[in-house]
Amino acid sequence: GESVGLHLPTLSVQEGDNSIINCAYSNSASDYFIWYKQESGKGPQFIIDIRSNMDKRQGQRVTVLLNKTVKHLSLQIAATQPGDSAVYFCAENMGGSNYKLTFGKGTLLTVNP
Amino acid sequence: EADIYQTPRYLVIGTGKKITLECSQTMGHDKMYWYQQDPGMELHLIHYSYGVNSTEKGDLSSESTVSRIRTEHFPLTLESARPSHTSQYLCASSPRTGREAFFGQGTRLTVV
Repeated sequence: GESVGLHLPTLSVQEGDNSIINCAYSNSASDYFIWYKQESGKGPQFIIDIRSNMDKRQGQRVTVLLNKTVKHLSLQIAATQPGDSAVYFCAENMGGSNYKLTFGKGTLLTVNP
Repeated sequence: EADIYQTPRYLVIGTGKKITLECSQTMGHDKMYWYQQDPGMELHLIHYSYGVNSTEKGDLSSESTVSRIRTEHFPLTLESARPSHTSQYLCASSPRTGREAFFGQGTRLTVV
């Protein structure tokens, strides 16, 4: 069936470096793609989203890129900090009234001081 | 910080017991969801509601049931807990026209 998945299960970076977390999706009909951050012992927190008619969106220290041709989504974190250490999930939904998030497997980001 | 609360945070219970996991939100959101998450794995939608008296089963089959009698409250019940129900259960809510879902802290359930 349709699914959202991540390329890498773990990513380790040095503090101050830029991080790139990747995600592949297969549902071409998804309207929104969303990145969530989940810290240990907590529920997921919204980071940033992007609509399917966009290819780039920037937030504070984060940028999401969407490549619909190859069905690929990425989250770039600039100047990664120890507080960025968490599991990152990409999720997709159909939009409109049918708001159901489908999550992929997470990527564990570890930031080394 | 989202105003959505789950209780209990941790629960260890014996096989065959009936349990109810509580979820409440004070944001007036119409939509509420229950996700099940095993350690290090993705979240699977097990129940959702688009408003009072509306409940639907999610993508992952679950033996649990839910109710939505009040907008702010979306409890999940297991009539007879089994070890296979051991998991983390996450509740979330979103406004009617919103894309963002706000999650609670989760309930980590262990059935022995």
